Amino acid sequence: QKEVEQNSGPLSVPEGAIASLNCTYSDRGSQSFFWYRQYSGKSPELIMFIYSNGDKEDGRFTAQLNKASQYVSLLIRDSQPSDSATYLCAALRTGANNLFFGTGTRLTVIP
Amino acid sequence: GAVVSQHPSRVICKSGTSVKIECRSLDFQATTMFWYRQFPKQSLMLMATSNEGSKATYEQGVEKDKFLINHASLTLSTLTVTSAHPEDSSFYICSAPSASEGTDTQYFGPGTRLTVL
Repeated sequence: QKEVEQNSGPLSVPEGAIASLNCTYSDRGSQSFFWYRQYSGKSPELIMFIYSNGDKEDGRFTAQLNKASQYVSLLIRDSQPSDSATYLCAALRTGANNLFFGTGTRLTVIP
Repeated sequence: GAVVSQHPSRVICKSGTSVKIECRSLDFQATTMFWYRQFPKQSLMLMATSNEGSKATYEQGVEKDKFLINHASLTLSTLTVTSAHPEDSSFYICSAPSASEGTDTQYFGPGTRLTVL
């Protein structure tokens, strides 16, 4: 079982819709969770992180964490074509300093 | 957020030569940095953890004698691909953690695209 699992997609949504990206993790010792966006040919860039149960909002992005279900999600409201990218979910274990990455979900926002 | 730079951004070399890639944390210190490799349309693969003042820790299957890592200071780590071959052509990305709002957040450099002819 992989540490962090994501649906590889592709996920397509129309412009203006809400995109929902999901991630599960296997290690209950994971303490913090990160969402990165990676455009083709570029390195990942941090969108946001979350470590408390519940929702965390930043602009059009909302991260959700449910530790009981070992589930993390990212919602993108009012999706734009510029949001088309691969979204990487990552988990940081307690006591570790390296991230465990999912394989990423490819999102396409259709104009 | 914290800024991590990499140099060069792109390098083309002949088979058998060595290539050095630098990773710098510009506005924070990093006792640890991470080196990743990414092949086209594949996910990030952690190669090694670079530790300031001590030896790097390599992931299983990564040849430490081929991928030399030196963490010379709290802001600089280098990855040297020795005797590069075409199969080493890839996108090499470094990252460094910086404490932010109660957790260590990893910030990535822009990456180095290596092409070995």
